[in-house]
Amino acid sequence: QSALTQPPSASGSPGQSVTISCTGTSSDVGGYNHVSWYQQHPGKAPKVMIYEVNKRPSGVPDRFSGSKSGNTASLTVSGLQPEDEADYYCSSYAGTNGLFGGGTKLTVL
Amino acid sequence: EVQLVESGGGLVQPGGSLRLSCAASGFNFRIYWMSWVRQAPGKGLEWVANINEDGSGRFYVDSVKGRFTISRDDAKSSVSLQMNSLRAEDTAIYYCAQVTWGRFDWGQGTLVTVSS
Repeated sequence: QSALTQPPSASGSPGQSVTISCTGTSSDVGGYNHVSWYQQHPGKAPKVMIYEVNKRPSGVPDRFSGSKSGNTASLTVSGLQPEDEADYYCSSYAGTNGLFGGGTKLTVL
Repeated sequence: EVQLVESGGGLVQPGGSLRLSCAASGFNFRIYWMSWVRQAPGKGLEWVANINEDGSGRFYVDSVKGRFTISRDDAKSSVSLQMNSLRAEDTAIYYCAQVTWGRFDWGQGTLVTVSS
């Protein structure tokens, strides 16, 4: 299986909203409501921000939201804050194997 | 709260072996799939291996098949990754993760460097 497709970079100014896409196939993103998003700051482990397309773990600000249409999932960060600058990765259930996107570097201008 | 603590990383020569371990706590280890995911320097996340809840199913990315073996010890709530015939391209931070329907919950990682 090929990696999920994410844009390499995204950016926005503080207070703005930015959306990151994650495109797969009908065998992964499109076939299941099991898409997750992770935030990774430099030198740190990834952290789950969204799971099951649009659910937030406790402690994740509601500025982070997820959605899906067909084979493409999206992560939207509203009201951008400086601490949101990080790498973001998506993953999707794909049977027995793991499947990640290539990552998107989010820059807060 | 899921807690995962990896150990066993280090510097190893090409062709050598290393065994990574991951101690789990804070959840019912026996009912979860577990995974190893790696991240090469400056690169993205790469799934390496999964093991199902009873250890009867083990799944690997093509690049490590025949060289790496994932295993689990439910009595100790631990998962391991035996890495043989290591190559320079295996250099990465290796993360242990609990897996639930494609959602990964992560440890802090352990660095493996393959170099002469």
